[in-house]
Amino acid sequence: DVKVTQSSRYLVKRTGEKVFLECVQDMDHENMFWYRQDPGLGLRLIYFSYDVKMKEKGDIPEGYSVSREKKERFSLILESASTNQTSMYLCASSFLGQGWKETQYFGPGTRLLVL
Amino acid sequence: AQSVTQLDSQVPVFEEAPVELRCNYSSSVSVYLFWYVQYPNQGLQLLLKYLSGSTLVKGINGFEAEFNKSQTSFHLRKPSVHISDTAEYFCAVSMEYGNKLVFGAGTILRVKS
Repeated sequence: DVKVTQSSRYLVKRTGEKVFLECVQDMDHENMFWYRQDPGLGLRLIYFSYDVKMKEKGDIPEGYSVSREKKERFSLILESASTNQTSMYLCASSFLGQGWKETQYFGPGTRLLVL
Repeated sequence: AQSVTQLDSQVPVFEEAPVELRCNYSSSVSVYLFWYVQYPNQGLQLLLKYLSGSTLVKGINGFEAEFNKSQTSFHLRKPSVHISDTAEYFCAVSMEYGNKLVFGAGTILRVKS
């Protein structure tokens, strides 16, 4: 079974702090994704990566950056956390194979509260 | 740009009753369609997907969906629901030459005994 793990289930941070969210997958997937989930808005893509050191902006990249130094690990960085970044963050991975036809496998999510 | 509309934010239903969760999309090109489910306190997992071929797609846990190109819909159905089907369901669409997977806002299915 594919396993996608996220470093924390719950995080509480203060405004202005730098926040790191870590994601690790164990299926040798090329693609990795970071989404933000908010009630009534579904999932919105923040960034994705199709290879080590490669990244592409999604729909809402402002205020976020990412890092992919190893194939299995994809980090989301909030450079200076703000209250409007309070949300659920979901990491996912998939094979490169058939592009956007591929199934994405999700981690359990990190619920971030910024005070 | 592609978009996905899930017409119901919440659907309450009694156990063993049938259910339909509605999904409409907008795209003028070939699309790939997905339904994902999120159980409480978990990530999303794939229920089923339509890539091509037969318009009726069967998924896990007794769910099925029908792709209707003329109505640009991909509604999810189950003939008899269980308490354990209580979850949030997301419809998603990607395009043949697109660059992302777009999710709908989600439908919360509440199964009551």
